[in-house]
Amino acid sequence: GQNIDQPTEMTATEGAIVQINCTYQTSGFNGLFWYQQHAGEAPTFLSYNVLDGLEEKGRFSSFLSRSKGYSYLLLKELQMKDSASYLCAVRDSNYQLIWGAGTKLIIKP
Amino acid sequence: ETGVTQTPRHLVMGMTNKKSLKCEQHLGHNAMYWYKQSAKKPLELMFVYNFKEQTENNSVPSRFSPECPNSSHLFLHLHTLQPEDSALYLCASSQESGQGPDTQYFGPGTRLTVL
Repeated sequence: GQNIDQPTEMTATEGAIVQINCTYQTSGFNGLFWYQQHAGEAPTFLSYNVLDGLEEKGRFSSFLSRSKGYSYLLLKELQMKDSASYLCAVRDSNYQLIWGAGTKLIIKP
Repeated sequence: ETGVTQTPRHLVMGMTNKKSLKCEQHLGHNAMYWYKQSAKKPLELMFVYNFKEQTENNSVPSRFSPECPNSSHLFLHLHTLQPEDSALYLCASSQESGQGPDTQYFGPGTRLTVL
């Protein structure tokens, strides 16, 4: 079966750095997405990786290793507004998005 | 992203009621989706419409009935629901090209409670 694994919850301190991991086993691979979802709001697109390596976008970076079935989202200079759930999703060979259950990130002052 | 709107934002209904959820996208996309989001579970894809044609129905019970009158509007008709159908229902849209990210953009969701 197809599976996306990510930690259920993480806690970090304001101003620090946090890395949220995502591992996947899917039938084929056509890209990996990270979304941010604040409580009661829509998931919003953060990043897309299809080739190995690091994609940087301001305070957020996303890394992909296709051979390891592994990605991480790196958040730097954490702010209180970064408290949210972070969803990892992989597009498989049928072009379907397979979703992880999300990682709830709690930022403490 | 505010290009996808959903109404109502909250809905409480009894098991014998009939109600409809509405989604509208203002992004000029050609594909629209209904997802169910339950606590601590992955997003569950329910239905996909591409150019107004339903291309996916992931074994969803018949008490959920989708309708896509045009490429900008999507409805989810609900009848005789069960308490376990209580969840956040999310609508999304994308421009499907079969290449590139074809990123999905989400609406804020309808929080449904079935009593």
